[in-house]
Amino acid sequence: AQSVTQLDSQVPVFEEAPVELRCNYSSSVSVYLFWYVQYPNQGLQLLLKYLSGSTLVKGINGFEAEFNKSQTSFHLRKPSVHISDTAEYFCAVRRTKAAGNKLTFGGGTRVLVKP
Amino acid sequence: GAVVSQHPSRVICKSGTSVKIECRSLDFQATTMFWYRQFPKQSLMLMATSNEGSKATYEQGVEKDKFLINHASLTLSTLTVTSAHPEDSSFYICSAESGGAMNEQFFGPGTRLTVL
Repeated sequence: AQSVTQLDSQVPVFEEAPVELRCNYSSSVSVYLFWYVQYPNQGLQLLLKYLSGSTLVKGINGFEAEFNKSQTSFHLRKPSVHISDTAEYFCAVRRTKAAGNKLTFGGGTRVLVKP
Repeated sequence: GAVVSQHPSRVICKSGTSVKIECRSLDFQATTMFWYRQFPKQSLMLMATSNEGSKATYEQGVEKDKFLINHASLTLSTLTVTSAHPEDSSFYICSAESGGAMNEQFFGPGTRLTVL
């Protein structure tokens, strides 16, 4: 089984400041890692994913994340946030390779960007 | 990217009635669809995995007789909440797996169910 822990439930940040959202996972098998964003009353939108290769992954909207296997972490960062980045962010993992594998989500981190 | 739609986006119903929510993959065939439930300010909880042409696999603690899932075609899965009660009020989100090399899941916009 897999589990995902997002260490911060809420992160207030000022506009144009950097932000880091922490994600740690636990799994006995190889996993793919994902970050999703959810705006109010909407579904999830994929920000970025790590499947293999370079541990630094760049996604949409200026976000990036770094996979650290030894620390089992996949922290999300953005060097300068905008008001429009206010949303809920979810880290997720799933087992590699096989189809139909379910995603396991973290508890989410609410980012509030202040002017 | 691939598009997944849900209908309706919002529904209000009386206690005791049944509600059907549709999930469609608009531009790809989805052999597997997933149904999630999300309470306010909480994460997504997987309810069931739906495979086209076969019975859904429910997660532990999810009542299969209350949450009926049908995946009759490669582009449509439905979730029926039977005899709904106020505690079933929630945000229901589906996702569809593209079946490509990485089997990426694409999420629908969600359905807000309110049971009075």
